[in-house]
Formats: sequence, C-alpha cells, structure tokens
Amino acid sequence: SAVISQKPSRDICQRGTSLTIQCQVDSQVTMMFWYRQQPGQSLTLIATANQGSEATYESGFVIDKFPISRPNLTFSTLTVSNMSPEDSSIYLCSVAEGGTGGAKNIQYFGAGTRLSVL
Amino acid sequence: AQSVAQPEDQVNVAEGNPLTVKCTYSVSGNPYLFWYVQYPNRGLQFLLKYITGDNLVKGSYGFEAEFNKSQTSFHLKKPSALVSDSALYFCAVRDLTSGTYKYIFGTGTRLKVLA
Repeated sequence: SAVISQKPSRDICQRGTSLTIQCQVDSQVTMMFWYRQQPGQSLTLIATANQGSEATYESGFVIDKFPISRPNLTFSTLTVSNMSPEDSSIYLCSVAEGGTGGAKNIQYFGAGTRLSVL
Repeated sequence: AQSVAQPEDQVNVAEGNPLTVKCTYSVSGNPYLFWYVQYPNRGLQFLLKYITGDNLVKGSYGFEAEFNKSQTSFHLKKPSALVSDSALYFCAVRDLTSGTYKYIFGTGTRLKVLA
C-alpha cells in the first residue's frame, strides 16, 4: 500500500492568512484527492488533483479559495487561502492504489492536517 | 444518485461480544463498497472492500463484512470485540458516475467497546 506523508500535522493560523499543506507519496499515482473533515464527522471531497492538468473541484469549493498544485506524480499541495475560523478543520489527502485510479482501487489516506484558525 | 447510509451514530458493545456496524447503499449498477476505520488524530485506514465474488469479505484486524444485494447492505462485523476496536468507522461506495471514481462516504459510526 502507498505511504503518504502529510505536512504540517497541525497548525494554528491567524484570520486572513494562507496555509499550504503538502502531500508526498512514496510511489507514482495518477489521482490524488483532497478532503476536509470536521472532527468526528464525515469526509467532504474538496477536489481531485491529476498531474499535468487543472484540479477538479467539487460543488462548494473554488480554486481561488483552495488552489491545488500537482507538479509530479508523487506530490501535491493544497493551499487554504484568506482563512477564516470556518476553515478550521482536518484536511486529508489520499491516493488511489495502483496508479490508474480505477474504480476497484483502494484509496489510502495521509494522517491529516489539523488546522485551527483564530 | 449514489449514496451510502450509516443509520447509527454510535454503537456500544461489551468486550468479547460480537459487533455489527451497519451500512446500506444506493447505487445504479454494481456497487464497489469499502470500510475504513479512523482512530483519534489519525487518517483513515482501509479495512476491506467488496467488488465481486463471495458475499462475505474478510479484512484487517479480524473484521469481515457481508454484502447483501437484496437488502442493499454491507454491514461490518467482528465475532469478538476488543477495547482497541473503539474508533470511528466509515462505509464508502465508489461513485462510478464520476470520471474520477471518487468515494462517497457515510456519516460514520462511532464504535465504543466497553471493558
């Protein structure tokens, strides 16, 4: 299974600032996913990041607020821009096993970034 | 629309007793179903999946799940619960209508195993 390193593990930020979260995978993968999770609640998909193309955002999420980079097949970043207390959450990246992102593939998750905005 | 439901927010079970965490699904076509567990301050860990084949799927940590097509269910089970099984459990289905095959997650069930 893929090993995913996510940094930072947690941060406390001031309102109006931005934070960039990094996701590094130990193998090449086609699709990476970024999720948001309120503590103890379910996961909400923010966007899907493919290498070499623009990320695909889910309804309610926009590129200006959550810009994503995917420079190669092992790395991605998610930036949370112009933060407000409502952005306080856990942010998780995940990858699909096997590199092709097919329907049968398992998704593996990083440990998450716990963000608090004051 | 593809969806999964976890009807119980919390399940309490005594250590050593069998446990069941419920999941029902609604999909068009064949369902690809998954169970994940999340321990405090950790990411999600894959437990098991159903794609095709035997209706009883065995996974990690002694967990298994039974796929029931007629009841559109995929309940997670374990014959004998451990205190260390206490965690948040998520059922997910693959959205085969999306080009990315993204997951659709249930709302989660908190399992509490009492010593």
